[in-house]
Amino acid sequence: ELKVEQNPLFLSMQEGKNYTIYCNYSTTSDRLYWYRQDPGKSLESLFVLLSNGAVKQEGRLMASLDTKARLSTLHITAAVHDLSATYFCAVARSGGSYIPTFGRGTSLIVHP
Amino acid sequence: EAGVAQSPRYKIIEKRQSVAFWCNPISGHATLYWYQQILGQGPKLLIQFQNNGVVDDSQLPKDRFSAERLKGVDSTLKIQPAKLEDSAVYLCASSSRLATDYNEQFFGPGTRLTVL
Repeated sequence: ELKVEQNPLFLSMQEGKNYTIYCNYSTTSDRLYWYRQDPGKSLESLFVLLSNGAVKQEGRLMASLDTKARLSTLHITAAVHDLSATYFCAVARSGGSYIPTFGRGTSLIVHP
Repeated sequence: EAGVAQSPRYKIIEKRQSVAFWCNPISGHATLYWYQQILGQGPKLLIQFQNNGVVDDSQLPKDRFSAERLKGVDSTLKIQPAKLEDSAVYLCASSSRLATDYNEQFFGPGTRLTVL
């Protein structure tokens, strides 16, 4: 059974600071996704990571994937209040059907 | 392009009643997913369709939940009878079969179900 663990689950940070969210998973996978969810809203796709060493950046967010360590990171640079949301990683099992398993999410609050 | 549509957006029912949710995926998306998201948790996959066939329903409580995707487009998820622990947001998502889209999922707004 594929398990996906995120940490931390809660993160309170000040504007301007940097921080990293970690996503560990338990079995081989070649597709990892990051999503953002604002309170009371649905999920919005941020990144799709497909191969070992993949790095993608959008604004103040950068995601990377290490398939050997079964680890993905979401790095936040110089946080701003607008980044306050819950961030989920999801891992798709290999083998054709790409059935996704989500982590519990990291709830991020950025304070002025 | 239009996004994933879901209805209703909110539903309040008594326990032991029945309820149905509807989802219309993005046009041309072959894969459709139903998730249950309990407050404070990540989405849990209930069922995944590829066209009108079931890819995975291992986490669907089949004694009370059922889902269908007739003609490989719209889908309905039904709960009969509902229990208190079914209170959650039910999310529908779809993804393309194109290799270049990498099964990236697009989510609908969700249906918030409250069971009293």
